[in-house]
Amino acid sequence: KNEVEQSPQNLTAQEGEFITINCSYSVGISALHWLQQHPGGGIVSLFMLSSGKKKHGRLIATINIQEKHSSLHITASHPRDSAVYICAAPKYSGAGSYQLTFGKGTKLSVIP
Amino acid sequence: DAGVIQSPRHEVTEMGQEVTLRCKPISGHNSLFWYRQTMMRGLELLIYFNNNVPIDDSGMPEDRFSAKMPNASFSTLKIQPSEPRDSAVYFCASTGGGVLPSNEQFFGPGTRLTVL
Repeated sequence: KNEVEQSPQNLTAQEGEFITINCSYSVGISALHWLQQHPGGGIVSLFMLSSGKKKHGRLIATINIQEKHSSLHITASHPRDSAVYICAAPKYSGAGSYQLTFGKGTKLSVIP
Repeated sequence: DAGVIQSPRHEVTEMGQEVTLRCKPISGHNSLFWYRQTMMRGLELLIYFNNNVPIDDSGMPEDRFSAKMPNASFSTLKIQPSEPRDSAVYFCASTGGGVLPSNEQFFGPGTRLTVL
């Protein structure tokens, strides 16, 4: 079983719809990252959160550390939101360092 | 800032050939990561360096893979000999302030490797 599980794997939405992507993890962490991979392949960091909720424009990320679950929401979705969304949990790797363990990603397609 | 720079962006080679991928991290960042992305396995950490020193190379698939970081501004990932199953996108990422849970990693554009 993967240490970081995402659902759904694929998601198609109509423009304007509210979207939710879920991430569950089994590793003990103090923070979780959400990344976006554009159709061209580039990866950018969207959020790092350790508790509660963060908002950036139409994107909202929430986390429940006790339940080991995080969600990424997109309000008023737009075709330009079409991308792969990846959650990543930092896992302690010794010597005071952490390495990211990634989910398989959720491929979002927003149709005009 | 130019961000993380990787070269080449695309590489097509034949089985058995040596492949060298290059990465220049963001200036001032002291941690560098090499990742591999495939359809089947997603993103996987291969190796990472802290202050030019390899910290964890447990993700390196086998002895055919090697990585070096001779200085703070340059790293290479070498595959010798290459095999078709090495075909993937290889990403380099860097971060400053050490490898902590909250540190944002900055990814390069990736190198798409195809081994025929």
